[in-house]
Amino acid sequence: AQKITQTQPGMFVQEKEAVTLDCTYDTSDQSYGLFWYKQPSSGEMIFLIYQGSYDEQNATEGRYSLNFQKARKSANLVISASQLGDSAMYFCAMREVPAGGGNKLTFGTGTQLKVEL
Amino acid sequence: DAGVIQSPRHEVTEMGQEVTLRCKPISGHNSLFWYRQTMMRGLELLIYFNNNVPIDDSGMPEDRFSAKMPNASFSTLKIQPSEPRDSAVYFCASSMGRGSGNTIYFGEGSWLTVV
Repeated sequence: AQKITQTQPGMFVQEKEAVTLDCTYDTSDQSYGLFWYKQPSSGEMIFLIYQGSYDEQNATEGRYSLNFQKARKSANLVISASQLGDSAMYFCAMREVPAGGGNKLTFGTGTQLKVEL
Repeated sequence: DAGVIQSPRHEVTEMGQEVTLRCKPISGHNSLFWYRQTMMRGLELLIYFNNNVPIDDSGMPEDRFSAKMPNASFSTLKIQPSEPRDSAVYFCASSMGRGSGNTIYFGEGSWLTVV
């Protein structure tokens, strides 16, 4: 079963508009972390924002905010005032540390965002 | 501060050759990960080290793949013999701790093409 689901393979947004990238997750752990990464065409993976499962406030980092709805198991990324440089692939990921050991950051399939003039 | 450093950035090799990818994690980080990214399978965790000890290698595809971490500042991922289906981007990543809240930082990746 998919642990991280990103249902939008591609999204378009106009420059200066806000855009929401969807992410839902599945876990039975009580403690977990949710991350968003940006991968531009150059290929590097850039960390954007983090939300802990126990955090009551939604995370924000500059123009990025994470709309965390724990009961719905969703962690959507909101990018405000989109810029041309935001065009990239965006990955949602979940980090789990099971009691039995191990450590894993599981990624979704990504959403390709294109910002247009 | 230097991020995760990987080498080589690009490698083209012939089928059957040995390939060694190298990684230097961020200083002070004690967890290290190797990921592989392909169009078909997305990002897959290959192996995870904590304090230089391999904890989870369930993602290593087969015996042709091996990874080592001889010290806190260096890790290698070796493919021997390489095959065309190994063509992918291989990312090394590191984090400061094992907790679910510790951010994992990625290197720029090693782009491997096996012909």
